[in-house]
Amino acid sequence: DMKVTQMPRYLIKRMGENVLLECGQDMSHETMYWYRQDPGLGLQLIYISYDVDSNSEGDIPKGYRVSRKKREHFSLILDSAKTNQTSVYFCASSLVLGQGVSGNTLYFGEGSRLIVV
Amino acid sequence: GQQVQQSPASLVLQEGENAELQCNFSSTATQLQWFYQSPGGSLVSLLSNPSGTKHTGRLTSTTVTKERRSSLHISSSQTTDSGTYLCAIDTGNYKYVFGAGTRLKVIA
Repeated sequence: DMKVTQMPRYLIKRMGENVLLECGQDMSHETMYWYRQDPGLGLQLIYISYDVDSNSEGDIPKGYRVSRKKREHFSLILDSAKTNQTSVYFCASSLVLGQGVSGNTLYFGEGSRLIVV
Repeated sequence: GQQVQQSPASLVLQEGENAELQCNFSSTATQLQWFYQSPGGSLVSLLSNPSGTKHTGRLTSTTVTKERRSSLHISSSQTTDSGTYLCAIDTGNYKYVFGAGTRLKVIA
């Protein structure tokens, strides 16, 4: 069953606390992503992982770090959360079929809603 | 950086009408995908169409790569089509950049 699972789905944290968002996929996809989505904006890429321990910054990596020790798991860590990190976070995975090849589909999790107070 | 512009920002249709959504991007795209985001927030890929025309069900996407634009045509819209449609571009390193989306509402 092709599925991307995010935990937790909802989280409220105080400013300065650490946050761990976890993502798992059962499709053995090499590539995994963390995005955030804010009202009126599209999804913004935080980090991409091309495989275990092969991570690359996206467009908005500041304040975040990631960990990928197994192909099926990709974690997003916020050290000392800030109120402007209140958002919905989406994890995605993709099987890379090659450049310009139709079908490099991204599969998304259901999202994790984080509120930092 | 890569910019993806979607238009219109929102659209209201009567059930049965057709919808035409546009996506324009500022640099060459090796991949282009259309996504649907439900009112509850879940995201699902509709079509992967880096060039040419693709059909699936009531959806048709046409991408003209050298003009840096793509369209998504929804025929015979239904109330269950209501939601947000997102266009995403990969410029070559699998880092997908998303547009802000078109919010579609279909009224019975």
